[in-house]
Amino acid sequence: DADVTQTPRNRITKTGKRIMLECSQTKGHDRMYWYRQDPGLGLRLIYYSFDVKDINKGEISDGYSVSRQAQAKFSLSLESAIPNQTALYFCALLDIKVDEQFFGPGTRLTVL
Amino acid sequence: QQQVKQSPQSLIVQKGGISIINCAYENTAFDYFPWYQQFPGKGPALLIAIRPDVSEKKEGRFTISFNKSAKQFSLHIMDSQPGDSATYFCAASMASNYQLIWGAGTKLIIKP
Repeated sequence: DADVTQTPRNRITKTGKRIMLECSQTKGHDRMYWYRQDPGLGLRLIYYSFDVKDINKGEISDGYSVSRQAQAKFSLSLESAIPNQTALYFCALLDIKVDEQFFGPGTRLTVL
Repeated sequence: QQQVKQSPQSLIVQKGGISIINCAYENTAFDYFPWYQQFPGKGPALLIAIRPDVSEKKEGRFTISFNKSAKQFSLHIMDSQPGDSATYFCAASMASNYQLIWGAGTKLIIKP
């Protein structure tokens, strides 16, 4: 957890609002990921980035956008939030030397 | 379409017993199979992972068994302890892209 920070940790917003979730890392890894977790569904990949110029859609990218402002920062945006985007959102980075994805502590988002 | 099916959804085991969680996958191109452990309020953390060139991998009390022909793999927790109580996720990916496809999770409770 300590290598990946996410802000905010909790957020309540209203339908139609634009919201941004921030993720940052201190270890200089290139590959970063955004996941969504829903009860009974596990985690699903929203977007991933292999470096600053490489952004890729995951399995559930509709309604989301991302920005890789720098190697250390990977932001997830909801342009117009809707209630079924209420979920727990996780950012992760891949340490390719050890074949492991490290996850942040998550952001709990509620859309009313 | 769920490409990784995990069972059971929940599991209660007595302290000292063996906990077994099963997963089945569909995509024969998958070649990386991790298990993640998640405690409440935390992000998932890698517990143990296997590649299909071996049928079993053991790390302490945790063992992955892998059956390539059946497209199944399982997590065994020996001498289960109350501190093992958590949600466990299996996942699968191709090592070329590390896009993890997750199972739905198993909530494990170890009774003292």
